[in-house]
Amino acid sequence: DAGVIQSPRHEVTEMGQEVTLRCKPISGHDYLFWYRQTMMRGLELLIYFNNNVPIDDSGMPEDRFSAKMPNASFSTLKIQPSEPRDSAVYFCASGGRDSYEQYFGPGTRLTVT
Amino acid sequence: AQSVAQPEDQVNVAEGNPLTVKCTYSVSGNPYLFWYVQYPNRGLQFLLKYITGDNLVKGSYGFEAEFNKSQTSFHLKKPSALVSDSALYFCAVLPILTGGGNKLTFGTGTQLKVEL
Repeated sequence: DAGVIQSPRHEVTEMGQEVTLRCKPISGHDYLFWYRQTMMRGLELLIYFNNNVPIDDSGMPEDRFSAKMPNASFSTLKIQPSEPRDSAVYFCASGGRDSYEQYFGPGTRLTVT
Repeated sequence: AQSVAQPEDQVNVAEGNPLTVKCTYSVSGNPYLFWYVQYPNRGLQFLLKYITGDNLVKGSYGFEAEFNKSQTSFHLKKPSALVSDSALYFCAVLPILTGGGNKLTFGTGTQLKVEL
C-alpha cells in the first residue's frame, strides 16, 4: 500500500481564495482524520470520519472550513475564503477499526498571503 | 476530558547515551497510549503503543516505553541514542470509552536532539 496520499504537497494562495486539500486514505481503513499543525498551536484535530460519516467536527475553526468524505477512498478539506492565519501544515491520517493507531500522510503546507 | 503532558520542550543527549522522553496523562478509565515521531517536513509516524499486558512495550527503531499506572506516565526510552533519532516526539492517549471512537489526544511534542 502506498500509505496515505495527500495533494497538493504545497499550496500558495492569496487571501480570499478558495483552497481544497485532498486525501486518499489507506485502503480498508474505517477512520479518517484531518489535523492542522502550526508552531503556535501545535497539532490540532479538525474533524474525523468513521465509515465516511463525520463524527466529531468540534475542532473545525469556523464556517470557512468544511470537510467531506464522499466515499471510502477520498476526502477533501475546503477553506473558503482563505485567510493568512490559515497558513499551516494540514495532515490527513487514517486508521483501522481495531488497531487504534493512525497513519499520517506527508501533509500539505498551505501558505495564504 | 483527557489530557497529555510532555513537560520538556527539548531533550538533548549525546550519541550512545540512554535517552528518556517524558509523558504523563490524565484520563477517565483505562487508556491506550501511543508514541509518534515526526521528522522534518514529514507526517507523524507511529512508534509504539500500550493497550494491555506487559507494562514495557517495545517498538520501532529500538525504542521502548514503560506504562506506569500509579504515576500515570508513559515515558519513551532508548538504551543508546543515535544522531538519526533527532526528531519531534509526540505522546498520545485514547480513552477506552463506549463509543469513544478513535480520537487521539496528543501532547505538545518534545524535540529530541542527539549530538555527537
